[in-house]
Amino acid sequence: EPEVTQTPSHQVTQMGQEVILRCVPISNHLYFYWYRQILGQKVEFLVSFYNNEISEKSEIFDDQFSVERPDGSNFTLKIRSTKLEDSAMYFCASSVRPSTYNEQFFGPGTRLTVL
Amino acid sequence: SQQGEEDPQALSIQEGENATMNCSYKTSINNLQWYRQNSGRGLVHLILIRSNEREKHSGRLRVTLDTSKKSSSLLITASRAADTASYFCATVSQGGSEKLVFGKGMKLTVNP
Repeated sequence: EPEVTQTPSHQVTQMGQEVILRCVPISNHLYFYWYRQILGQKVEFLVSFYNNEISEKSEIFDDQFSVERPDGSNFTLKIRSTKLEDSAMYFCASSVRPSTYNEQFFGPGTRLTVL
Repeated sequence: SQQGEEDPQALSIQEGENATMNCSYKTSINNLQWYRQNSGRGLVHLILIRSNEREKHSGRLRVTLDTSKKSSSLLITASRAADTASYFCATVSQGGSEKLVFGKGMKLTVNP
């Protein structure tokens, strides 16, 4: 069964460093998302991406964040200058149609630890 | 208060018993989805119910939706130890937004 994959599974970085989290969505999916979950808290939406552009973003997704689909398979989240409060589990998700019609399929997550 | 709040926040039952989780939300929704998360792992989609649906079944899962009360329930019948996980409801609002708005989740423990 196709699945969303994410790399790395765990990333440790120093405050102020740039990180890139990578995701490979399910191959025929067209809608891509990033969410994060701070330990013990709810899953929060960051950004949605369709047709090579951001379709929606949350207040969390400020200028320090960016997303890219550099090729036909990868979908990346970049955090330019990490802060301690960016420590969280980051989930990538994809769907074949908009969420108004279909479920989102989530990857296993990347645990980001900012020291 | 928050969109998508589950109730109770933790539930411990014996294998074979049924588990019921409730979710309340605030806005008008397009659909409501239930997800499961095993400890430290990713989210697994369980079931999606649309705003014009009242009940849906999938295997041992039964979901109901009451849009007048802005609430949903997830029933897991004949629970198994493998059902031990956190369960989240998530809503997609009307109006074109595609984001899932998650509740805080509910921890279900099924004791063998």
